Amino acid sequence: GEDVEQSLFLSVREGDSSVINCTYTDSSSTYLYWYKQEPGAGLQLLTYIFSNMDMKQDQRLTVLLNKKDKHLSLRIADTQTGDSAIYFCAETDGNTPLVFGKGTRLSVIA
Amino acid sequence: GAVVSQHPSRVICKSGTSVKIECRSLDFQATTMFWYRQFPKKSLMLMATSNEGSKATYEQGVEKDKFLINHASLTLSTLTVTSAHPEDSSFYICSAPTGRTKNIQYFGAGTRLSVL
Repeated sequence: GEDVEQSLFLSVREGDSSVINCTYTDSSSTYLYWYKQEPGAGLQLLTYIFSNMDMKQDQRLTVLLNKKDKHLSLRIADTQTGDSAIYFCAETDGNTPLVFGKGTRLSVIA
Repeated sequence: GAVVSQHPSRVICKSGTSVKIECRSLDFQATTMFWYRQFPKKSLMLMATSNEGSKATYEQGVEKDKFLINHASLTLSTLTVTSAHPEDSSFYICSAPTGRTKNIQYFGAGTRLSVL
């Protein structure tokens, strides 16, 4: 089946930029998402990008998509302690349920 | 964004009892909702797709009689864990798709089930 891979951990200093990377195998992925999960909570949709886009920016968040390499990244500028959470990458071709990565645990050091 | 409400947020029950979890789309209609299970420090595992007015579609390995799903209206899906056992203890999360192409999924806050 289709697969989504993410590194498991990332640690950054407060004020620095964080870059969380994700690779996927589904060549027909149409919609790609980034979700944030804080301890004991559900998933919060942060942002999403369509496969016909290369980049999307929303305030401190920048999503880059390299469709050729099937690589998606999420950059968080000026990372704050409140950004500490698990970030999930997910994709779908539009006809099947979301496929999630295992999540990247972001730790922000004050 | 759209709001999906999930209740209860936490349940502690005795082994053998049944537990019902509700998932509601508050400001949109959802003919389809999804139920996931998340183990500690793991990703989400899709359990089933809930379809309004028809039977749910279960993923391979998920017991239909164990996890009963009912989607009686366009804004409500329920998951009932029947005769719960300690191994059913987990974090259960629902989601509902919205948007023009129904590909933007919003998630509930999750339900932590602990079976003693």
